[in-house]
Formats: sequence, structure tokens, C-alpha cells
Amino acid sequence: GQSLEQPSEVTAVEGAIVQINCTYQTSGFYGLSWYQQHDGGAPTFLSYNALDGLEETGRFSSFLSRSDSYGYLLLQELQMKDSASYFCAVFAGSARQLTFGSGTQLTVLP
Amino acid sequence: DAGITQSPRHKVTETGTPVTLRCHQTENHRYMYWYRQDPGHGLRLIHYSYGVKDTDKGEVSDGYSVSRSKTEDFLLTLESATSSQTSVYFCAISGDRDTQYFGPGTRLTVL
Repeated sequence: GQSLEQPSEVTAVEGAIVQINCTYQTSGFYGLSWYQQHDGGAPTFLSYNALDGLEETGRFSSFLSRSDSYGYLLLQELQMKDSASYFCAVFAGSARQLTFGSGTQLTVLP
Repeated sequence: DAGITQSPRHKVTETGTPVTLRCHQTENHRYMYWYRQDPGHGLRLIHYSYGVKDTDKGEVSDGYSVSRSKTEDFLLTLESATSSQTSVYFCAISGDRDTQYFGPGTRLTVL
């Protein structure tokens, strides 16, 4: 099966940079995804990394190291609206399914 | 936003009653998924479908069944609801499996 670890909570101030780490153990790995979920809302797709390296999309970047079974989500120029839960998910296995971590609650303070 | 809806959005039911949740998509995506989300857990896969009448079990399938008779509809049935099935249920759709788009969710309470 798959297992993922990410911090349960992270706090940062507006305008700062925050990094949310994710380590995973899996077989048949294809890629690592990140999803954002605001309280009471649905998860929304942020990024997908299939290859090693950094992918940048606006204020958000995602990194993957396949050899270290490690990835992170980097949020720059934090805004209050970034307060949400962030989930990493591995795309893996013969059935090619997503398995989600337990999520990181990000709180952005003024 | 992907065209995906769930109904009902909220439901309260009693232990032992059958419950059916509906997921409807307008994107013509091949893959559809049902997840449940509970505090302290991420999203856990219940069942998924890779085409009409093609379904398979996920991580937490006990007590649940699904059906997909049309591309656009994926039904989740709790044959006899239990209190442990109180949860928020999300449907998701995908065209290529590695990127999923989620519906708004159904909050189910089993008393």
C-alpha cells in the first residue's frame, strides 16, 4: 500500500513564504499531487509532479525528488485567503489511483 | 470549474436505512470516484469507476456499493447505514486519472 506523511499544522504571517513537506512510501509511483481545501469546501487541484524538480504556477511551486520519496509545496507572498488545508497525494499502483495524506492545516496570520 | 454536482448536499438518516448519493458530471470524463473524508484523515477512496458498468473497490469499500449505468452518473449506496458512515462524501471525476476534480460534497449524518 501507500503511506504519506505531512505536518498537521503550519502557521505563517501574511507576505511570508511557507513550505509544506510530504514524504511518501509507495510502490509503482507515477507522481505527486497537491490539493487545496478551504473549510466547508471541496478539494481543488493545485499541481502534479511526475518528474524531479520544481514546477512553478504563480505564487505556488511544487517540488519532487523521486529518489528521496519527498516533495513539497511552496507558497510565496502568503495571503489570508491561503488559509486552508493542503493535501499531498501520490498517484501510484497498478490501478493508478490517488492516495491522499492526512492534510496540513495552514493558518495565515495578519 | 469542472461540471460536477452531487445530490443531496445534506442528509440525515437513521441507522439501518438505505441511502443513495448521486454524482453527476457534464464533462464526459471516463473515471469517477467516491471518497469519504473524516477528521484526522485525508480523503479515503471508497469505490471508483473506469467506465459504464465498470467499477472496483477502493480502500474503504465495506458497507458501500456503487453503480454506473451512464457515463454521467455514479451512484453510491449505503445498503444499511451505520453511525460509522457519518461523514462527508466527495465525488471526483478525471479524464487522465492523475488529476481529479471534486464535487461540492454531501454531508451525511447517520443517527
